Amino acid sequence: DAKTTQPPSMDCAEGRAANLPCNHSTISGNEYVYWYRQIHSQGPQYIIHGLKNNETNEMASLIITEDRKSSTLILPHATLRDTAVYYCIANAGGTSYGKLTFGQGTILTVHP
Amino acid sequence: GAVVSQHPSRVICKSGTSVKIECRSLDFQATTMFWYRQFPKQSLMLMATSNEGSKATYEQGVEKDKFLINHASLTLSTLTVTSAHPEDSSFYICSAPSWGTDTQYFGPGTRLTVL
Repeated sequence: DAKTTQPPSMDCAEGRAANLPCNHSTISGNEYVYWYRQIHSQGPQYIIHGLKNNETNEMASLIITEDRKSSTLILPHATLRDTAVYYCIANAGGTSYGKLTFGQGTILTVHP
Repeated sequence: GAVVSQHPSRVICKSGTSVKIECRSLDFQATTMFWYRQFPKQSLMLMATSNEGSKATYEQGVEKDKFLINHASLTLSTLTVTSAHPEDSSFYICSAPSWGTDTQYFGPGTRLTVL
């Protein structure tokens, strides 16, 4: 997996958009960008993933730069329950899929 | 999304005993499952890859004789911590990829405390 770099912590006001950046400047052409989050003392939860195009689902939006060297996860209307550690992971899928390399992630704290 | 369960959610045992942790994919089949370990205030570390019908593959530094993995069926993998010691106390998490969705789903984790 390509190395990813995330800020160690971020704050966000409830109801506002949370924009979490991730740098993956050495990502390979066949590597997807995956986002997971982990709420305290729980297993990680899948959020979204993408290869080249921007993606959106019911939880979040993923914006990937054209050169694919960075991406941003957007939680459009953050709630207190979104407080968690967010992990950005580059993974090629296929036979290597599942052997995810977790970095330290970003601790997102949503304030009332 | 798909559901992965773990049992038990927490276990306390005495030093020297063995503990079995189960990981089940509830609504999909998983020929491969993964076991992670997470110490307090640290990130997840992959321990091993569990393969249905064949031996598990362990990451460097993980003792295969201490952490026994059995992938008995397409929906069940078990991790047995043998002769547990206090340093084995950790949060153990399994995961399974849902191949049709390119997505991996994680179990809720098992908190192991060895006294």
